[in-house]
Amino acid sequence: EAQVTQNPRYLITVTGKKLTVTCSQNMNHEYMSWYRQDPGLGLRQIYYSMNVEVTDKGDVPEGYKVSRKEKRNFPLILESPSPNQTSLYFCASSLIGGINGYTFGSGTRLTVV
Amino acid sequence: DQQVKQNSPSLSVQEGRISILNCDYTNSMFDYFLWYKKYPAEGPTFLISISSIKDKNEDGRFTVFLNKSAKHLSLHIVPSQPGDSAVYFCAALNPKTGGATNKLIFGTGTLLAVQP
Repeated sequence: EAQVTQNPRYLITVTGKKLTVTCSQNMNHEYMSWYRQDPGLGLRQIYYSMNVEVTDKGDVPEGYKVSRKEKRNFPLILESPSPNQTSLYFCASSLIGGINGYTFGSGTRLTVV
Repeated sequence: DQQVKQNSPSLSVQEGRISILNCDYTNSMFDYFLWYKKYPAEGPTFLISISSIKDKNEDGRFTVFLNKSAKHLSLHIVPSQPGDSAVYFCAALNPKTGGATNKLIFGTGTLLAVQP
């Protein structure tokens, strides 16, 4: 089954403790992206990647890092999480130019206390 | 600055009636628009799209209308079913940036509740 898999689904952590949210897709998509969803703000792009070793900032990149060492994986790294990063995170992938084919993961609910 | 706006956070409709979800945008360079549907505990899924060269696109019970002069699009669901209850996001693609980067700009979402 074609899918984007995120882990973990739920995470509660403390301020300053480094964490990684993993994202993996099995559709051979070049494009991958991370979004966060917050009440009243919709989905905002954090980082995106056009292909292996090609990443760039989205609209709200502060406090986040990403890497794209393999085509299928695009982890989101929070080096020193803060409470304002408490949010619902989604990973998405698509073919380049295939915007109808944005496939999202099921989401990761992160709480930073 | 919210370039894509959904001014109704929620909408309640009776089963069998029409649901109309609205979306406004500010950037006249946007040339492609999409609607995504999101159930709780799931990621958004693509529903329907429309290019700026059209003013209407239909797929079964779902129709999207685009009014470029008003910078407004709407999603019509007829007839509405309880299974349509979800959050609906509209999204826009800016060809100047998004075409090269696949970037979509999302609205804030509208929670649709279809009452049996």
